[in-house]
Amino acid sequence: EPEVTQTPSHQVTQMGQEVILRCVPISNHLYFYWYRQILGQKVEFLVSFYNNEISEKSEIFDDQFSVERPDGSNFTLKIRSTKLEDSAMYFCASSLAGRRDGYTFGSGTRLTVV
Amino acid sequence: SQQGEEDPQALSIQEGENATMNCSYKTSINNLQWYRQNSGRGLVHLILIRSNEREKHSGRLRVTLDTSKKSSSLLITASRAADTASYFCATGNYGQNFVFGPGTRLSVLP
Repeated sequence: EPEVTQTPSHQVTQMGQEVILRCVPISNHLYFYWYRQILGQKVEFLVSFYNNEISEKSEIFDDQFSVERPDGSNFTLKIRSTKLEDSAMYFCASSLAGRRDGYTFGSGTRLTVV
Repeated sequence: SQQGEEDPQALSIQEGENATMNCSYKTSINNLQWYRQNSGRGLVHLILIRSNEREKHSGRLRVTLDTSKKSSSLLITASRAADTASYFCATGNYGQNFVFGPGTRLSVLP
């Protein structure tokens, strides 16, 4: 069964550093998403991406964050100048038909900012 | 906010019993989805039910949707220890991305 693949599974970074979280969505999916889950808290929407541009973003997704689809297969989330409160599980998801369809989530990248 | 809220927050049952979790939401929706998350792992899509559907089945899972009450339920029949996980409902509507509730933590005891 097709999967969304995320790398790395765990990333530790120092406060102030930049990190790039990588995702390979399902190949024929058109809609891409990033969500995050701070330990013990809700899964929060960050950003959606369609047709090579951001279609929606939440209040969390400020100038510190950016997304990119550098080629036909990868979808990345860049966090600049990381803060302690950025420590969370980051989930990538993809969907064939957007909100009319179920999302397929990756297994997540656990980001720890120290 | 259309955010779903699951109820109960935690549920503990014996293996073989049925588990029922509920989700309530506030605004009209296009569809509602249920996801499972094992501890420290990713989200697994279980079922999507559309606003014009009232009930859906998938294996041991049964989901109902009552749009008049703005609520949904997830029933897991003949539960197994492997069903131990957190279960989330996510509500979707045109113009808005899926919003997840805080989840129900299900523990199935052997």
